[in-house]
This record gives sequence, structure tokens and C-alpha cells, in this order.
Amino acid sequence: EPEVTQTPSHQVTQMGQEVILRCVPISNHLYFYWYRQILGQKVEFLVSFYNNEISEKSEIFDDQFSVERPDGSNFTLKIRSTKLEDSAMYFCASGGLYNEQFFGPGTRLTVL
Amino acid sequence: AQSVTQLGSHVSVSEGALVLLRCNYSSSVPPYLFWYVQYPNQGLQLLLKYTTGATLVKGINGFEAEFKKSETSFHLTKPSAHMSDAAEYFCAVSHSGAGSYQLTFGKGTKLSVIP
Repeated sequence: EPEVTQTPSHQVTQMGQEVILRCVPISNHLYFYWYRQILGQKVEFLVSFYNNEISEKSEIFDDQFSVERPDGSNFTLKIRSTKLEDSAMYFCASGGLYNEQFFGPGTRLTVL
Repeated sequence: AQSVTQLGSHVSVSEGALVLLRCNYSSSVPPYLFWYVQYPNQGLQLLLKYTTGATLVKGINGFEAEFKKSETSFHLTKPSAHMSDAAEYFCAVSHSGAGSYQLTFGKGTKLSVIP
């Protein structure tokens, strides 16, 4: 059964460093998303991507964040200069018809 | 704007007992509604969804939910709890946007099953 994969599973970085989180969505899906979950809190929407451009983004998704689909299979989230408050689990999701979204296992980002 | 309220951050049931997890939503347009389950240290797995049509929807692992527009609710039920159902459950709402179906999640309900 097709699934969304994410790498790495855990990323530790120093404050101010750049990180790139990678996702491979399900191959025939058209909609791609990033969400995050700060420990003990609810899952929050960051950004959606459709037709090779950002379709919606939340207030959290400021200039420090960017997304790319560089090669038609990978979908990346870049944080340019990490802050302590960026520590969270980051989930990639992809969706096809009928608005179903399938989530990857997540990348736990720890900013020191 | 849309929002989701899950009543009870933590619910405990005995093995074999009924599971009822409550979800109320707010949406200005007809909603799409979802329940996801998250096992410890894992991602979110789709349990079931309501988009249109039949208001009682069945999902995996014996769970079902009923969309009640008049009550703006989408409660999740299972007739008989199993130990393996212990997990965190998230209700979510979305609607069709311009190239996006972003999900708005509730805060989650942690289900414990007592042997």
C-alpha cells in the first residue's frame, strides 16, 4: 500500500542553523501539506502546495519557512534560521480526491 | 473560519465497554470531517471520513461516526473497546479551498483502555 515517507525521523540542530525536512508523497497525489505538532499541543497547519505553488499558508509559515517540490517526487520544508520554538514534530501529508490526507510518520525537530 | 472542539482530553474505558469520543465543529460552509488516530511515536492514521452522502460512516478497526448537522457534531464510537485502541484521537474539519483542503484539528483525546 502506498505511503508517505519522511526523512530524517529525528533532526537535532543548533539555533540559527538551517534545516531541510524531506518528504516523499504518494505518487499520484496532487495536494501536499506540512503540519507541525508542538509537544503536548494540537496538530497545526503550516502550508499547502498544489500545482507547483503554495496555495495556502498559515500565520506560522513566515519568511523563515519555504517549501519546494524540486524533482516531482520529493517535497521539502526548509527553515532558514531555526529558533527554539521551532522544536516540534513536523508532518508531511499528501492528498488525492475527496480531500483525504495521508500523513507521513513525522520528523522530530529539536532545536538547541 | 473553522474550528474543532473535542470534549475530554483524556477518556478511560474498560476493555469491552463502549467508546464514545466527542467532537463538535464550527464551519461556515458544508464541512468535510475526519477522525485520525495517533499511536505513540507514530504519525496520524486516517480512521474515517465524512464528505457527503450517508451521515453514518464506518471506518477501520470497528470505529464509526455520525455527522449530525443540527448538533454540529461528529462523535466517534466503537461498541467494544480493545486494548489496542489505546491511542490519541484527533477530530479534524476541512472544506474545499483554492487548491487546498487544509485540516483544522481539535486538541485530541487520549483514550486509555483498562483491562
